[in-house]
Amino acid sequence: GQSLEQPSEVTAVEGAIVQINCTYQTSGFYGLSWYQQHDGGAPTFLSYNALDGLEETGRFSSFLSRSDSYGYLLLQELQMKDSASYFCAVYNTNAGKSTFGDGTTLTVKP
Amino acid sequence: DTGVSQNPRHKITKRGQNVTFRCDPISEHNRLYWYRQTLGQGPEFLTYFQNEAQLEKSRLLSDRFSAERPKGSFSTLEIQRTEQGDSAMYLCASSLEGVYGNQPQHFGDGTRLSIL
Repeated sequence: GQSLEQPSEVTAVEGAIVQINCTYQTSGFYGLSWYQQHDGGAPTFLSYNALDGLEETGRFSSFLSRSDSYGYLLLQELQMKDSASYFCAVYNTNAGKSTFGDGTTLTVKP
Repeated sequence: DTGVSQNPRHKITKRGQNVTFRCDPISEHNRLYWYRQTLGQGPEFLTYFQNEAQLEKSRLLSDRFSAERPKGSFSTLEIQRTEQGDSAMYLCASSLEGVYGNQPQHFGDGTRLSIL
């Protein structure tokens, strides 16, 4: 089976940097994606990592360590609009089935 | 790009009734996914299609659930003999071909199902 662990809640202030961790257990591993979901909204894709290292996209970066079965999403220069839930999702093959974590609720305070 | 469209937005029905949801993906996307999401949890994979072929179905799904994508365009998800535990948000997503995780899945706003 597969399982993912993320912190349930994180709080930070505007302008700060926050890191949301994701550890996974899976029988195989192909890649890790991150999605953002605002309250009442649809999930939106943020990033994907298949190889070790850091992928940067604007204020958001995602990191993967395959040997540690661990990844994180880094959000810089936090804005109020970044308050949302963030999900990591693991793919254990190059196929469509993915397993999502239960999400981390990020609250950004002024 | 009109986005992924799901209908209806809300469905309230009595236990034991059958329900059907529709998903219209982004037109050039040949992959289509169905998920279920309950409060405080992440989307739970149900099934996915590449064109009209249903390539995988979650073992979590009982045979009360069926999905179709007859012409490789829109898809329907049917739940027969609904149960209280079926109450959830049902999400549809679509994507282009390519490495699966690396192709962004574009989600619709979902159909919220409430079983009385």
